[in-house]
Amino acid sequence: DAKTTQPPSMDCAEGRAANLPCNHSTISGNEYVYWYRQIHSQGPQYIIHGLKNNETNEMASLIITEDRKSSTLILPHATLRDTAVYYCIVRPPGSGNTGKLIFGQGTTLQVKP
Amino acid sequence: GAVVSQHPSWVICKSGTSVKIECRSLDFQATTMFWYRQFPKQSLMLMATSNEGSKATYEQGVEKDKFLINHASLTLSTLTVTSAHPEDSSFYICSVGGLAGDKNIQYFGAGTRLSVL
Repeated sequence: DAKTTQPPSMDCAEGRAANLPCNHSTISGNEYVYWYRQIHSQGPQYIIHGLKNNETNEMASLIITEDRKSSTLILPHATLRDTAVYYCIVRPPGSGNTGKLIFGQGTTLQVKP
Repeated sequence: GAVVSQHPSWVICKSGTSVKIECRSLDFQATTMFWYRQFPKQSLMLMATSNEGSKATYEQGVEKDKFLINHASLTLSTLTVTSAHPEDSSFYICSVGGLAGDKNIQYFGAGTRLSVL
C-alpha cells in the first residue's frame, strides 16, 4: 500500500510557483521521499528525491519537514507543460525488489494560462 | 538520466492471442527492471520485478503464467501477455533501476498501450 497522502487535484497559474504537499507520517528512518510526474499517456518522469535535507535541481525543489512526516514539491515557475499527475513516494534505499516503487493516486496539477 | 526504450508503443490484438512487449535499457546494464500496469484514470500498479538471469518476482494477485517475464540479458526484459482477453487491455510500463550514481532512481519507458478486441 502507498504510504503517502496527497490532495487529489490542484490548480496553479502559469508563471507562479506550484507547491504540492505530501504527508508521509509513517515514514521510516531509512526511507527516501521521491517525486515523479506523469504527463498524460506517457511513462512517469523522475523529478527529485531526498532523505532529510532539502534538495534542489533544475526541475524543482523538495522541502522535507524536520520530523520528516511531510514534504512539499515546489515548481518555481510553472508552465503549461507542467500539467501532469504528481506522485510522492516513499521507499527504502537500494535496488532490486526492495527498491520497488508503490504509486498512490497522486495529485493532478492543472497549470492554467 | 537513463534512457529506456519500450516497444511497441501501441498494439491491437485479437482475444486469445499472445502479445510480447520489450523493454530495453539503452545506456547502462540493468540487473533489475520493473513492470507496471495502468488502467484508465487509475494509478500505476506494480506487476512484477524482473531479475536478470533468474525468475521474476510477482506481486500478489498477478498471474505469473499469464504475464510471462523474461530478463535474459542486462539490457532487455520482455513481458508476454498470454491468451489476452479484453480485460487485459491496459497501459503497460516498464522501468529500469539505475546503477552506481543513480542507484536509487528508476527511469521509465514511454509505455505500451494494449487493446484486446
